[in-house]
Amino acid sequence: NAGVMQNPRHLVRRRGQEARLRCSPMKGHSHVYWYRQLPEEGLKFMVYLQKENIIDESGMPKERFSAEFPKEGPSILRIQQVVRGDSAAYFCASSPGRQSSGANVLTFGAGSRLTVL
Amino acid sequence: RKEVEQDPGPFNVPEGATVAFNCTYSNSASQSFFWYRQDCRKEPKLLMSVYSSGNEDGRFTAQLNRASQYISLLIRDSKLSDSATYLCVVSRTGRRALTFGSGTRLQVQP
Repeated sequence: NAGVMQNPRHLVRRRGQEARLRCSPMKGHSHVYWYRQLPEEGLKFMVYLQKENIIDESGMPKERFSAEFPKEGPSILRIQQVVRGDSAAYFCASSPGRQSSGANVLTFGAGSRLTVL
Repeated sequence: RKEVEQDPGPFNVPEGATVAFNCTYSNSASQSFFWYRQDCRKEPKLLMSVYSSGNEDGRFTAQLNRASQYISLLIRDSKLSDSATYLCVVSRTGRRALTFGSGTRLQVQP
């Protein structure tokens, strides 16, 4: 069981470029969450998705950020026209479906560290 | 006011010491509670869930006080490997997303 897989682990972008971060949930997990952690700060919730549906995006910035979890393939967090303030660690987590025990327990991936120059 | 508040520390304790962290949450609709551990520049990992009756896992004991809206974590016989940031985590009724505190940093010294 490979766990939650995120890539790339490190990404460097110049201001104005696009960043795409990918996340494959644990086998058997159907729920994906994205969190952002700024340097020296806690994790902030961004978005929660199931396959082909965004369930809760209350933590997503209104502009430049989008997320998807297609029927096939990984979940993708996309940041357009990156700015220096987007530099952070972006963690993906997954959990089992609603009917499963431990549905609230999140397993995190190792994170993707974005640096904007 | 933050939804989950923790003392950032750091708590510097010698090996073998007992150390306790507290955490308060502001939303009375919170229903699930956890402690996660995060090592430097790594992902958070679940340490333990917190139940109303209190629960223990080896050297770790977690307590929940719903009336006062606080959660505690007690670590007995601290090891060097316990050095990490401890994250207090809650979720609200009807909401799957977890809300994380900013963490309390523990440094266990030889």
